[in-house]
Amino acid sequence: DTGVSQDPRHKITKRGQNVTFRCDPISEHNRLYWYRQTLGQGPEFLTYFQNEAQLEKSRLLSDRFSAERPKGSFSTLEIQRTEQGDSAMYLCASSFEQYYEQYFGPGTRLTVT
Amino acid sequence: AQKVTQAQTEISVVEKEDVTLDCVYETRDTTYYLFWYKQPPSGELVFLIRRNSFDEQNEISGRYSWNFQKSTSSFNFTITASQVVDSAVYFCALYNNNDMRFGAGTRLTVKP
Repeated sequence: DTGVSQDPRHKITKRGQNVTFRCDPISEHNRLYWYRQTLGQGPEFLTYFQNEAQLEKSRLLSDRFSAERPKGSFSTLEIQRTEQGDSAMYLCASSFEQYYEQYFGPGTRLTVT
Repeated sequence: AQKVTQAQTEISVVEKEDVTLDCVYETRDTTYYLFWYKQPPSGELVFLIRRNSFDEQNEISGRYSWNFQKSTSSFNFTITASQVVDSAVYFCALYNNNDMRFGAGTRLTVKP
């Protein structure tokens, strides 16, 4: 295990469809984070997990966004009823513990047509 | 509220020049962490450095150095003798209370 992986790398979907992204963190990392990055901006924090517990949800962009980490290993981010404004890069990161550096995956680029 | 400002949107230098990327942060807390990340054209964010609020020692790593000054709430990043491979977008970030805030980034172009 050499780093954080994300799947798929690219997703094109039609408006109104649901999409799900997967993130596999570095294996010994307890914390997992989701971010969104739009063109010309820094990553925007969405949510995070400590093991399987989702400890912050308020920054999710709307109730169409949800995330899970069922066994404290991989995580999924789902967007329901996608809108064109959801088009962005979705990044996953993991860290050993709070305050430790976060290591980022390559991201999933979502395009909503 | 926490905030990170990277006032330099784009910087262009010629190879071998030194360049400093500015980062100014805002927080009301006394305990926080500061980070720099590099995002090369390939897109994946690469961790460069982490600094906690109680450690104001400057750090040098090869051609990279960081200057942390709490008095001015700044955490600046200097690349000495820049190289074409340093071309990337660089992000400064502030972490506290489970909240990570990134600046908008500075796009550095190093020309041969």
